[in-house]
Amino acid sequence: GAVVSQHPSRVICKSGTSVKIECRSLDFQATTMFWYRQFPKKSLMLMATSNEGSKATYEQGVEKDKFLINHASLTLSTLTVTSAHPEDSSFYICGKTVDEKLFFGSGTQLSVL
Amino acid sequence: GENVEQHPSTLSVQEGDSAVIKCTYSDSASNYFPWYKQELGKRPQLIIDIRSNVGEKKDQRIAVTLNKTAKHFSLHITETQPEDSAVYFCAARGTGNQFYFGTGTSLTVIP
Repeated sequence: GAVVSQHPSRVICKSGTSVKIECRSLDFQATTMFWYRQFPKKSLMLMATSNEGSKATYEQGVEKDKFLINHASLTLSTLTVTSAHPEDSSFYICGKTVDEKLFFGSGTQLSVL
Repeated sequence: GENVEQHPSTLSVQEGDSAVIKCTYSDSASNYFPWYKQELGKRPQLIIDIRSNVGEKKDQRIAVTLNKTAKHFSLHITETQPEDSAVYFCAARGTGNQFYFGTGTSLTVIP
């Protein structure tokens, strides 16, 4: 499958700080990257779709000012959780499509104290 | 957006038995349905997929069926093995090319 590199794998931060998560497409260019959030033992919830060179498309109920997405190049998309609070603690994972198949990064476990 | 429902949420089977997981979707325009396997702490891995112009697809012990009229699709695992134990997710690709996931099925294969 396609290679998506996601960093960091785990981050622990204090409440009120911002955290940036990076996803890189290492093989094929990714004009589109999908960002998901997953709570323990729960499903993958689509947060937003990032598009290279344009604004991200957010799903209903997702605060765009809270979860800033930047897709500045064909290989890099970033998600910044701004002013993180304990309720933002979750597993965040990005994904890209190659030949219509969706491949995921390794995920980032965010814990906000 | 698309709404995908998945059942059961948990499933235990004896090794060697079959396991069946069922999903329904709401958007009749959805045309691609992948299944993922996720082990604890790891990324979901694509295991099989089916397009809307196909009714059934098989890959060794894994098969997927699709009933487009009824808007439901199923995953069938035969001759289950302990290493099949994981959480399985179905998904549907909506008209905007986004993927929406079911709620997951935790499968336990008892040796």
